[in-house]
Amino acid sequence: EDKVVQSPLSLVVHEGDTVTLNCSYEVTNFRSLLWYKQEKKAPTFLFMLTSSGIEKKSGRLSSILDKKELFSILNITATQTGDSAIYLCASSSGSRLTFGEGTQLTVNP
Amino acid sequence: GAGVSQTPSNKVTEKGKYVELRCDPISGHTALYWYRQSLGQGPEFLIYFQGTGAADDSGLPNDRFFAVRPEGSVSTLKIQRTERGDSAVYLCASSSDRNTEAFFGQGTRLTVV
Repeated sequence: EDKVVQSPLSLVVHEGDTVTLNCSYEVTNFRSLLWYKQEKKAPTFLFMLTSSGIEKKSGRLSSILDKKELFSILNITATQTGDSAIYLCASSSGSRLTFGEGTQLTVNP
Repeated sequence: GAGVSQTPSNKVTEKGKYVELRCDPISGHTALYWYRQSLGQGPEFLIYFQGTGAADDSGLPNDRFFAVRPEGSVSTLKIQRTERGDSAVYLCASSSDRNTEAFFGQGTRLTVV
């Protein structure tokens, strides 16, 4: 059975801090690893990673995949209160995404 | 439309009733997915459509759940004889094909009382 595990499950930081969110996976027929941000109901797409060692960046967010060790990290630098959300990691086998439980990030002013 | 649209946004129904949840995907997206999310959990896969056909329905929990996509665009998730345990947020997502990122709708919060 496909499995995705995220850590930590919750994290509280102050504005300006840098955070690292972790995601490990055990998936048959792995195709890609995706990160989403969920603030209310709809997860919003952040990154899709298919190759090891290539960092993807978008503003203060970046992510990288290690297909040998089966994990990914999401970094957020200079956090802002608007970064407060649940961050979901998901592995794709093509026909489905298998999600982790998410990391609840709270950024305090 | 610009994004994935789901209706209704909230639905309260009595135990035992039948409900239909609608998903209108991004125009031109051939892949459509339904997920269910309970409080404190990540979304759980239900079914995947490629065009009009259900290519993978292995996530449907039992035969009370059924989904259709008759014209390869709008999809309807149907739940018969609802139970309190069906209460959750039902999310729909679409992608241009199964190897590209999926974009989610706002979800339907279903409450069975």
